[in-house]
Amino acid sequence: DTGVSQNPRHKITKRGQNVTFRCDPISEHNRLYWYRQTLGQGPEFLTYFQNEAQLEKSRLLSDRFSAERPKGSFSTLEIQRTEQGDSAMYLCASSLGPGTGGETQYFGPGTRLLVL
Amino acid sequence: DAKTTQPTSMDCAEGRAANLPCNHSTISGNEYVYWYRQIHSQGPQYIIHGLKNNETNEMASLIITEDRKSSTLILPHATLRDTAVYYCIVRGYGGATNKLIFGTGTLLAVQP
Repeated sequence: DTGVSQNPRHKITKRGQNVTFRCDPISEHNRLYWYRQTLGQGPEFLTYFQNEAQLEKSRLLSDRFSAERPKGSFSTLEIQRTEQGDSAMYLCASSLGPGTGGETQYFGPGTRLLVL
Repeated sequence: DAKTTQPTSMDCAEGRAANLPCNHSTISGNEYVYWYRQIHSQGPQYIIHGLKNNETNEMASLIITEDRKSSTLILPHATLRDTAVYYCIVRGYGGATNKLIFGTGTLLAVQP
């Protein structure tokens, strides 16, 4: 049983460059989430997909950020024209929902982004 | 904003039970209590969740007060590998939003 995987695990880029991260959820999980975590803080929600439909986006997701889940399986998160403030850990989670007894999100290891 | 209040940090001796409290006084009837932990530089790890009844799994026990305004996560025999930030989260089920709202959690330091 493989968990959520994320690639790359680390990314260093220069300000102004574009970056793209990939998330592969647990197979059969129809829901996929992206979160961002800065140092000393808990993760913050960015966006959520049910299958291929993007159903919710946070105000944190500026127009430089775009997320896709084209076939309802893996997802990509792209940041255009990166800024130093984008430096953070980007976390992906997946879940199977809706269901009874609550819905548990399982997280990947994260992609750590450093913008120089 | 997070709907929970947790102590910033706690210590526990290795081999002893670690009891992590959480206050969620504004919890509503359809909201579950979830616990996750995050070991340094890793993604959050699901531990346990519950609605009204106490729950136990291979990792921990969750004790929820009768009025549901607070809960305690119990790690029965803490080891050094349990040193992590523990997050208590309340989350509705079946509503319009499915996101988890994390606070800053409790840093549990297990001492040898």
